Amino acid sequence: QSALTQPASVSGSPGQSITISCTGTSNDIGGYNYVSWYQQHPDKAPKLMIYEVSNRPSGVSNRFSGSKSGNTASLTISGLQAEDEADYYCSSYTSSGARVFGGGTKLTVL
Amino acid sequence: QVHLVQSGAEVKKPGASVKVSCKASGYSFTTYVIHWVRQAPGQRLEWMAWISTANGNTKYSQKFQGRVTITRDTSASTAYMEVSSLRSEDTAVYYCARGGTHFDDWGQGTLVTVSS
Repeated sequence: QSALTQPASVSGSPGQSITISCTGTSNDIGGYNYVSWYQQHPDKAPKLMIYEVSNRPSGVSNRFSGSKSGNTASLTISGLQAEDEADYYCSSYTSSGARVFGGGTKLTVL
Repeated sequence: QVHLVQSGAEVKKPGASVKVSCKASGYSFTTYVIHWVRQAPGQRLEWMAWISTANGNTKYSQKFQGRVTITRDTSASTAYMEVSSLRSEDTAVYYCARGGTHFDDWGQGTLVTVSS
């Protein structure tokens, strides 16, 4: 199972919006609405931000939103804040029952 | 409140085995799958396997099939992951995570260093 494809880095200024893409295949992202997104600060465990494409867990800011079109999922962060600077990973359920992560995207808040 | 508490850091020699534990609290242990995910230094997250805490069924990534074994002890609300025939490339932080199709909660991570 190959990793999902994410851009290595994105950046934005405080208050702006950014979008991180995550591209897979019909055997993972395209076949199921089981895409999730994780935020990871340095030397910390990942934190669930979005599940089942567009659902936010309790306690996650509504500045975070998710969507999917075909084999590509997207995470949008609006009203960027300094504390959003972190690595972001997408993940998907796959047709074999396994899970797969993306390569990760480093978000820099300028 | 859900907690997943993992065992401490390990240093192993190439060829050895390591077993990491993940003790769950704050919820009914057998109602959620436990996943294992690893992250080599400076690298991406890599899904390894999951175990059904209810019936012990397992699913492994093809990459780890045959070298990784995951088990659980329902009486202790604890899941275990053992990696055998360790090599330097297995140096990583190993995480357990609770969930089904996604990973709701994560352990703090266990650093396993493989070095001669």
